Amino acid sequence: AQSVTQLGSHVSVSEGALVLLRCNYSSSVPPYLFWYVQYPNQGLQLLLKYTSAATLVKGINGFEAEFKKSETSFHLTKPSAHMSDAAEYFCAVSVSTNAGKSTFGDGTTLTVKP
Amino acid sequence: DAGVIQSPRHEVTEMGQEVTLRCKPISGHDYLFWYRQTMMRGLELLIYFNNNVPIDDSGMPEDRFSAKMPNASFSTLKIQPSEPRDSAVYFCASSFEQANYNSPLHFGNGTRLTVT
Repeated sequence: AQSVTQLGSHVSVSEGALVLLRCNYSSSVPPYLFWYVQYPNQGLQLLLKYTSAATLVKGINGFEAEFKKSETSFHLTKPSAHMSDAAEYFCAVSVSTNAGKSTFGDGTTLTVKP
Repeated sequence: DAGVIQSPRHEVTEMGQEVTLRCKPISGHDYLFWYRQTMMRGLELLIYFNNNVPIDDSGMPEDRFSAKMPNASFSTLKIQPSEPRDSAVYFCASSFEQANYNSPLHFGNGTRLTVT
């Protein structure tokens, strides 16, 4: 079975600072990895996804993530935080042998200080 | 595209009452998922359908919960009877799966259920 672990349930950064949200996965077969963002009172929206093409994936709103197989990681980064980035972020994994079923991490709440 | 549409957005009911949550997936999507989100338990998958057929309902907490998908454009999640511990935000999501099952989920805005 696949799983993801998000390190740090809360991350706080200053506006303009680097954002780093950590995600480690566990899977016995090649995984597909996703980052979603959830703003208050809304559903989750896709930020980016890794599907075994390029290991560095660029997403919306200036976010990117790098798939590192040796570290079983898929950390999310953004060079410069904006106030509008404040939200909850979820890492998710799916595999072809568990058709259609994504497993989500517990989420990381990002706070951006002015 | 209007996205995944859920109704109602908010539901307040008394313990013991029946609650029905509704979802309209994105047209053409062949997978539909029901999730529950709480502070304590995070995001939990309750059940999902493929081409209107339930595939995995192992996340449904009790027999009080049931879900149906009578056609490709509509699904319901019913709780009968409801209990205070069912209070949560319930999300519906859909996806169009290609051969490798690497398609993302498209979520609705959720139904916030409060059972008093």
